[in-house]
Amino acid sequence: AQSVTQPDIHITVSEGASLELRCNYSYGATPYLFWYVQSPGQGLQLLLKYFSGDTLVQGIKGFEAEFKRSQSSFNLRKPSVHWSDAAEYFCAVGHFNKFYFGSGTKLNVKP
Amino acid sequence: DTAVSQTPKYLVTQMGNDKSIKCEQNLGHDTMYWYKQDSKKFLKIMFSYNNKELIINETVPNRFSPKSPDKAHLNLHINSLELGDSAVYFCASSQRTSGSIGEQFFGPGTRLTVL
Repeated sequence: AQSVTQPDIHITVSEGASLELRCNYSYGATPYLFWYVQSPGQGLQLLLKYFSGDTLVQGIKGFEAEFKRSQSSFNLRKPSVHWSDAAEYFCAVGHFNKFYFGSGTKLNVKP
Repeated sequence: DTAVSQTPKYLVTQMGNDKSIKCEQNLGHDTMYWYKQDSKKFLKIMFSYNNKELIINETVPNRFSPKSPDKAHLNLHINSLELGDSAVYFCASSQRTSGSIGEQFFGPGTRLTVL
């Protein structure tokens, strides 16, 4: 069965520091991979997606993610975090009609 | 121009009541979904409709009944509400391509509180 693991429940970084959020998936074929962000009280907004091709994908708000098939990972990165990036981040795998979401990583940003 | 909208945004009700949540998308997508997000933020798919046809029906109590009058609308009716139904319910839509999945666009959510 497909599964998505986000091993970090909470992460705190200082404003201006770099960020990496981890995501591992279990899936038998080439996955469709997504990162979403959820600000408090809001719906989910797509940050970026990977379907095929270049394994380094660029998204909105300065985020990028790298697909590593050998590690079954799709980690999200940002070189310099802003206070407005504080939110909950979800990794997801798409398979046919379903999305499988990770449990989320809550990002806190220290001034 | 809201892409995926849900009403109401907040819903507070007593146990045993029946309530409905409505969802509309103006993206021209052919597939719509209902998700439940629990207090720990875990998101789980409940239902999905493609071109008004039910294609995903996860293990959900039959007190929950989705209805899709057309491709742009997906409603969720809940009978005999229980305390455990308290959650945030998200509607989403996507366009299927070549039998696979496209990115999903989410509504703002409906926070249901059952007292």
